[in-house]
Amino acid sequence: KNEVEQSPQNLTAQEGEFITINCSYSVGISALHWLQQHPGGGIVSLFMLSSGKKKHGRLIATINIQEKHSSLHITASHPRDSAVYICAVTGNQFYFGTGTSLTVIP
Amino acid sequence: DTAVSQTPKYLVTQMGNDKSIKCEQNLGHDTMYWYKQDSKKFLKIMFSYNNKELIINETVPNRFSPKSPDKAHLNLHINSLELGDSAVYFCASSRQGANYGYTFGSGTRLTVV
Repeated sequence: KNEVEQSPQNLTAQEGEFITINCSYSVGISALHWLQQHPGGGIVSLFMLSSGKKKHGRLIATINIQEKHSSLHITASHPRDSAVYICAVTGNQFYFGTGTSLTVIP
Repeated sequence: DTAVSQTPKYLVTQMGNDKSIKCEQNLGHDTMYWYKQDSKKFLKIMFSYNNKELIINETVPNRFSPKSPDKAHLNLHINSLELGDSAVYFCASSRQGANYGYTFGSGTRLTVV
């Protein structure tokens, strides 16, 4: 079993929909990261969280340390949001989720 | 003025060869990393350097050796390349360890034939 589990693995949405991607982890962490990998392969760091909630534009990330769970929300989704979203945790070691492939259809 | 630059972007080589991938960051970050993304798109950390000292060395074969001449550079040297080494290798950097956001390079796609 992977130390970091993401759901769903694949997600297709209509443009404008509200999207939620979930991440659960089973290890002690000092921080959780959300990464975005574009179809061209480049990786962008979206958020680093150790508690609470962060917002950047249409993206919101939350974390519940007690429940070992984080969510990434995208409001008013757009086709350019189509990418793979990866959850990663850092503590004594680094662990990555297997990613959620998001496709937003116009 | 790319923040984290990797070269080459593509590398095709034969089994048994030795190759290097270079990484440079101009962000003034203290920590640099190498990650491997396999054919199933699963990312795994390989190495991390903080101020030229190795601080994480995950269980990678000793054919892989990171070299950091200074804190702005972290090169990856691979000896005796094998078919299973084919992957995309990403360099990244962060400030003061992994609890700050990462900046990634654009990746190096290594194909061993």
